[in-house]
Order: sequence, then structure tokens, then C-alpha cells
Amino acid sequence: NAGVMQNPRHLVRRRGQEARLRCSPMKGHSHVYWYRQLPEEGLKFMVYLQKENIIDESGMPKERFSAEFPKEGPSILRIQQVVRGDSAAYFCASSPDHRGTGGNEKLFFGSGTQLSVL
Amino acid sequence: GNSVTQMEGPVTLSEEAFLTINCTYTATGYPSLFWYVQYPGEGLQLLLKATKADDKGSNKGFEATYRKETTSFHLEKGSVQVSDSAVYFCALRSGNTGKLIFGQGTTLQVKP
Repeated sequence: NAGVMQNPRHLVRRRGQEARLRCSPMKGHSHVYWYRQLPEEGLKFMVYLQKENIIDESGMPKERFSAEFPKEGPSILRIQQVVRGDSAAYFCASSPDHRGTGGNEKLFFGSGTQLSVL
Repeated sequence: GNSVTQMEGPVTLSEEAFLTINCTYTATGYPSLFWYVQYPGEGLQLLLKATKADDKGSNKGFEATYRKETTSFHLEKGSVQVSDSAVYFCALRSGNTGKLIFGQGTTLQVKP
């Protein structure tokens, strides 16, 4: 069972371009979380999605950032018109259905996408 | 709001030394507490957890006790190995989803 797959591992963009980060959750997982890690900081929650629904986007910047998790295919974090301050490591995590006690604690993280904005 | 504070790194130890990484938190209610470890080039892995006061989480020789009176969850290991070199993150969860609040991470370097 493959783990959480993120691609690309490294992404370089110039200011003003668009960045698309992909995350394929573990097989059977229907919940996806995106986190951002700025240099010298811990991970900060961005958004929580279930299939085709955004459940909590309280950590997502109001402009330029969007996320989706379609019925088929990976979850996509999209950043439009990137700026230097968007340079960071973006981590995706997935978890199985939340039924029962303890199931919602089992987060599995991908290896991240390092975004560099020139 | 909820927050997690970790001791700053890097922490450099010799092999077989005793490890403590301090973690304190601020939260309303009764959060669950976690330690995650990130090895170079990899994603975060759950190391241990505790869901209520006085619980002790343990794994791979690491331990941490949920202390509500001091709002702390310090990570300890009696004898570290070179392979323990990694970044360690303390985190809390106050709801019932995977939305975690992380500390800033502490880099541990173990020298032979």
C-alpha cells in the first residue's frame, strides 16, 4: 500500500506564475489536509477536504490560493500569481474515514513539495 | 487561541546521552497531544500520542507524559542513537479532525 504521494518534490516558479501541487492520498483514505511550512517555522494548517467538499479552509489565504479534491484523481493545491513569500514546503496528509474512536487521529503525511519562487 | 511552544534547537548530543525536548501548550478544553518526527527528505511520522491527562505515550524508546497541571508534553529518551537525528514536532488537536497545531520543530543531531 503506497503512502501519501506528493508531486512534484520540487517546484520552481517565477513571480506571477501559477503553482499546482498534487497529492494522492493513501488508498482508501477520503480525507485530505494541506499544511504549509515556512522556513524556521512549524507546519501551519491550511485546508481540510473530503471528496468533492471543502470542510475547513480557515488556514487558507483568502486570495490566490484554492484547493480541490475531486471524486476522481488527486487533491490539488493551486496558487495563482505566486510571490516570493509563497516559498515554503507544502505537506499533504490523509486519513481514513472518521468513524469510531481514534480513527481520525491517524494522519499519514507525504514527503512534501518544496516551492521556490524566484 | 491554541498554540504549541517547543524548545529551540538544534540540540546536539553524543550517542547514548539522555534526551529531553520541552513542549508546552495553550488550549481550551482537553486536547490530544502528539509528537511527530521528520527524517531528512521524508514526511512527518507519528512518534507517539496521548489523549488525556496523565497518559504516557511511548514508542521506540521515546516517552512523553501529558501533564495538564503544567500544560506540558516533554519528549524524553534515555539513550539516543545516531539514527534518531531528525526534526521533532510537538502538536495538539482540539477537535475531532486531522487539524493539528504544531510547534516550530526541534532539530536533534546525535554524534557518534
